[in-house]
Parts: sequence; structure tokens; C-alpha cells
Amino acid sequence: RKEVEQDPGPFNVPEGATVAFNCTYSNSASQSFFWYRQDCRKEPKLLMSVYSSGNEDGRFTAQLNRASQYISLLIRDSKLSDSATYLCVVTLRGYNKLIFGAGTRLAVHP
Amino acid sequence: GAVVSQHPSRVICKSGTSVKIECRSLDFQATTMFWYRQFPKQSLMLMATSNEGSKATYEQGVEKDKFLINHASLTLSTLTVTSAHPEDSSFYICSADSGHATNYGYTFGSGTRLTVV
Repeated sequence: RKEVEQDPGPFNVPEGATVAFNCTYSNSASQSFFWYRQDCRKEPKLLMSVYSSGNEDGRFTAQLNRASQYISLLIRDSKLSDSATYLCVVTLRGYNKLIFGAGTRLAVHP
Repeated sequence: GAVVSQHPSRVICKSGTSVKIECRSLDFQATTMFWYRQFPKQSLMLMATSNEGSKATYEQGVEKDKFLINHASLTLSTLTVTSAHPEDSSFYICSADSGHATNYGYTFGSGTRLTVV
């Protein structure tokens, strides 16, 4: 079983739509959680950290459910520039490294 | 701040040759650097953790004699793919622990696309 699992998509949505991505992680020792964005043939870039209390950054809202080992990302009012692959990432307690999911591809069309 | 420079960005080499990829931290010292590999439509897979002045720690299934890592200074780590074969064609990305708050301390290089023909 993969340590971090995501629906690969693609999610094809019109501009202005709201879209939600889900992610599950298998290791209960997972400590920190993030969403990264990766554009085609580019390096991943941190989008936001994810906290149990939920956090919002503009049109983006992230949520963590430790009991269910589930992470979500909600994008409101989608823009064309949001088209990318969204990577769910966790770290394990005591380990200085990031564990990436395979990513969910989002395509926003006019 | 916290910039990581990775070179080359793209390389094509013949099967059986070796390729060296450099990862430099430009404005900070990185005692730890990480090397990832990403195949098309797959996740970034950690290959090894590079520690300045000591041997790298390789993930399970990664051949240390094939993927040579050198981290001789606090600002430079290199990954050498030895005797490259077409199945080594992939996107290789390094990252460094910068302690930079905005990226949880992990700053990524721009990646190297390796094609072995």
C-alpha cells in the first residue's frame, strides 16, 4: 500500500468552479502535512501547510482529519492558472524527509 | 532567500555513459540535501539523503553504486548516474534543508531531465 494516496484525476473544471482534492496517508506516525503544486516539468512548490484546525489562504482551504488519516484541499473560484498537479505530502515523526503522493491533475478550462 | 540551483536542466546521454548532476545552495548552507526521481505521472520518490561530510543514506531499492552522491561542501551536492541505461531516463530533483520558514525548510532545485538513448 502506498504511504500517500491520491486520486490521479484529471479533474477538468470550468473557470469559477469549486474543486476538492482528497488524500489519505497510511502511517499513523505522520507528523506534518502539506499541499504542493507542480507545474509540468517543473519542481514542486509549497502551496500550503495543513493543520487539524483547518487553514485557508485566499481561495484555497486545507483540512486534516488525523483520526481518518485524511487530508483535503478545496479550491474556490478556479482560475486558468490553477491548472497543475497538486501533490499531497507528509513527513514522518523523527524523519527529516518529505513523502509525496502521486498527485492529482487539475485542468481548468475557459 | 533560500535558492537552490540545479544543473544541468536537461541532458541527453548515450547508454553506458555517466552523467553528473549538481545541486547548489546559493544563499544558505545545507548540511542535508535530498535527491528525488520522478517518472512520468508518478510521485517524487526519494532516492537518497545526502549529508555533508559523510556517506549518503539511500532508500531501499536504490543502488548506491549506480547513483553516486557526493556532498563535499555545505553548498554543493552531486548525483552521478553511472553507466546510464534508458530505464534511468527520468526527472531528477534535489532539495535542501534551508530552515526557511516559508517552505518548511525544503527548497527545491528546478530539476534535471535525463534522457538516455
